[in-house]
Amino acid sequence: SAVISQKPSRDICQRGTSLTIQCQVDSQVTMMFWYRQQPGQSLTLIATANQGSEATYESGFVIDKFPISRPNLTFSTLTVSNMSPEDSSIYLCSVVAGNYGYTFGSGTRLTVV
Amino acid sequence: GQQLNQSPQSMFIQEGEDVSMNCTSSSIFNTWLWYKQDPGEGPVLLIALYKAGELTSNGRLTAQFGITRKDSFLNISASIPSDVGIYFCAGRSVKAGGTSYGKLTFGQGTILTVHP
Repeated sequence: SAVISQKPSRDICQRGTSLTIQCQVDSQVTMMFWYRQQPGQSLTLIATANQGSEATYESGFVIDKFPISRPNLTFSTLTVSNMSPEDSSIYLCSVVAGNYGYTFGSGTRLTVV
Repeated sequence: GQQLNQSPQSMFIQEGEDVSMNCTSSSIFNTWLWYKQDPGEGPVLLIALYKAGELTSNGRLTAQFGITRKDSFLNISASIPSDVGIYFCAGRSVKAGGTSYGKLTFGQGTILTVHP
């Protein structure tokens, strides 16, 4: 299965600032996904990022707040913009490698103060 | 949207006991996945189920894809302390238009504690 490197692993940020999270995969993948996991909660899909096209956002998530880049088949970034304490969560990227393999990165634990 | 109901929310068991957890959905899924998440880590895939009725094992873990395609269970036999963690079910549906890889919907998670 694919190996995902996600950076940073954690950060503490001031409200009103933005943080860009990077996701690097060791193989070319068509689809990459960004999830949010709020404290004590399950995973919620933010958006699907395909190379060469705009990301597709799920209900409740907008591009202005969570802009995504997907410049090639091995890399993607998620930016959390104009952060507030409610954005404190774990953000995870995931890829589909192989027929059914959904692999996750280790996540970025974000705390907004 | 699609929702998965996962139960129980938490379990406290003694080492050596068997564990069972399940997920039910109001919608049909084409794939059921079971993940385990350790603190500070992302979810790790335990078992993937691809067709209704399928029963699959991975060591002490056994999972089944329900006949109705709306449910799945995970059993852990002879639990050990390292089984501690959060277990998530996830269902994958085929996107409209026939795209092969649909998005995943996750259950709420089962927190497992194993007492030595």
